[in-house]
Amino acid sequence: QVLLVQSGAEMKKPGASVKVSCKASGYTFTSYLVHWVRQAPGQGLEWMATIDPSNGRTNYAQKLQGRLTLTRDTSTSTVYMDLSSLTSKDTAIYYCAKEAVATGGNSAFDPWGQGSLVTVSS
Amino acid sequence: SYVLTQPPSVSVAPGKTATITCGGNNIQSQSVHWYQQKPGQAPLLVISYDSDRPSGIPERFSGSISGDTATLTISRVEAGDEADYYCQLWIHSRDEYFFGSGTKVTVL
Repeated sequence: QVLLVQSGAEMKKPGASVKVSCKASGYTFTSYLVHWVRQAPGQGLEWMATIDPSNGRTNYAQKLQGRLTLTRDTSTSTVYMDLSSLTSKDTAIYYCAKEAVATGGNSAFDPWGQGSLVTVSS
Repeated sequence: SYVLTQPPSVSVAPGKTATITCGGNNIQSQSVHWYQQKPGQAPLLVISYDSDRPSGIPERFSGSISGDTATLTISRVEAGDEADYYCQLWIHSRDEYFFGSGTKVTVL
């Protein structure tokens, strides 16, 4: 059974950084891209970034470049999402999702992690 | 940026058919995926590659694409289908992923 389990909720102050983890199991970790998507309260889905666990190659949405870093630990099959210089606009549920089919880009996102709520408030 | 346009809401009576559209420039040249999201839950893939149904998704869910519009059709709608639905695609030349704005399906 393919499973992505994310770390718990976080509360941060403006200007701080947050690191969310996504632990994968049930498949070969290095064979599939992992994506990060966020959803602000009452809003739609927004793609943030993608990492190739086989080589660590990353691809970031332009609006988040400079503030967002994805890393992976192949020994624990875990991907980390690090977002810095937080503002209230970063308050959202953050999801990781696996590439459904190993295509290197064109595949759907499936399955998704359970989501991690990040709240930014002073 | 690439814009995917969805109607904000669709209402449908039980047993009827719900049609959710996703409009984008030359969308038929892309592969479109559809997700269902119920309140408090993570999104669930219901259609991939325009019209493929993943294992476990009822046959009532189908997808199609023509011209500048992709369509998700839910036949014989049930109360459990009430959710938000999002279309999504990848633009290869830009290596970016885009989601539609989402459509709330209400079962009357």
